[in-house]
Amino acid sequence: QVQLVESGGGVVQPGGSLRLSCAASTFLFSTYAMHWVRQAPGKGLEWVAAISHDGGKNYYAQSVKARFTISRDNSRSTLFLQMNNLRAEDSAVYYCTRALDYWGQGALVTVSS
Amino acid sequence: EIVLTQTPLSSPVTLGQPASISCRSSQSLLHSDGHTYLSWLQQRPGQPPRVLIYKISNRFSGVPDRFSGSGSGTDFTLKISRVEAEDVGVYYCMQTARFPHTFGQGTKVEI
Repeated sequence: QVQLVESGGGVVQPGGSLRLSCAASTFLFSTYAMHWVRQAPGKGLEWVAAISHDGGKNYYAQSVKARFTISRDNSRSTLFLQMNNLRAEDSAVYYCTRALDYWGQGALVTVSS
Repeated sequence: EIVLTQTPLSSPVTLGQPASISCRSSQSLLHSDGHTYLSWLQQRPGQPPRVLIYKISNRFSGVPDRFSGSGSGTDFTLKISRVEAEDVGVYYCMQTARFPHTFGQGTKVEI
């Protein structure tokens, strides 16, 4: 079974930074595009960012462009999301997903003073 | 950005009875590769989403055959032939035809 385990969530002040990681296993990580999707408390799903299988192409939602950076390390089967200049509206559970088919359990990010 | 509009937003259902959710897209989801990238996801309470249907009508691995998808172009439907208790949750349509990928608002299915 595909395993995706997010880590790095927590509480951060507005304007701060956080880096999420997603450890992937039981599939050939380097052959899949990967995505981050978030869900604010009690709200719907919002696609955040995607990265091609080799890291050569990145895509972002307008709401996070220039603040968030998606990256990957295929040698370690790990996906990252660097989040800078965080705002209260970035508070959400962040899901790592393999090509939007398999999803991790999520990491909670809370931006609050 | 492609906007997906789901109806209804809430769907009271009766066990053993059918249920249906509609998803309308603001643009055609037909990709240049000939496929239409519309998926349906289920999110049970306290759980991450999981894919039920991809490319309009293909059931994902392990999904019961009471779930089916149909449609084309800009209008799509998810049907549950006979609702079971474990089907309670929120259902989302999702388009991956173009960036940014987008989701419908979600439809809450409750008994």
